[in-house]
Amino acid sequence: DTEVTQTPKHLVMGMTNKKSLKCEQHMGHRAMYWYKQKAKKPPELMFVYSYEKLSINESVPSRFSPECPNSSLLNLHLHALQPEDSALYLCASSQEARGETQYFGPGTRLLVL
Amino acid sequence: GIQVEQSPPDLILQEGANSTLRCNFSDSVNNLQWFHQNPWGQLINLFYIPSGTKQNGRLSATTVATERYSLLYISSSQTTDSGVYFCAAGTASKLTFGTGTRLQVTL
Repeated sequence: DTEVTQTPKHLVMGMTNKKSLKCEQHMGHRAMYWYKQKAKKPPELMFVYSYEKLSINESVPSRFSPECPNSSLLNLHLHALQPEDSALYLCASSQEARGETQYFGPGTRLLVL
Repeated sequence: GIQVEQSPPDLILQEGANSTLRCNFSDSVNNLQWFHQNPWGQLINLFYIPSGTKQNGRLSATTVATERYSLLYISSSQTTDSGVYFCAAGTASKLTFGTGTRLQVTL
């Protein structure tokens, strides 16, 4: 099974809302990633977790708060977002964080009003 | 940081044609992957290929790490091959995506 699942598929939120994105994998992978993809642009790395610890934060604003409660689950907590944060948020996982094949989920399309 | 460039940016093919997509990267890498993004946004990993040559059905890829480029070959293209092809390069877990090649395969 090489599936990464993400919920919700779509999310509309106001600038004062708090919401969370969820990502799950059951492949036994120990590295998990969040990427952001704006329309007609490539994905951009936001965060990398390795063995449930944050290993890379690509200078992401604090209104995005990642959490890795266990090795199968990755959350992205959203608070006080701006309209320019509207994008496709992609989760991925890999066996380790040493440079292996990354498997992506279907993404959450976020619209901030 | 590493720069990743892809060419061509857009490509229109008739079904059955062959094509070559190119990816150039600015620094030494130990991680290079090719992805296909379908119109619904799903990214599918095609190849993990930091060096050498691999084949998977109608697709094959070659990376010449010493010359900092990778090629993706698509043979006998089908309409289902349409979408955006991304090359992503980097070290360990940190990948930088290229700007992609948007492929449209017509009947």
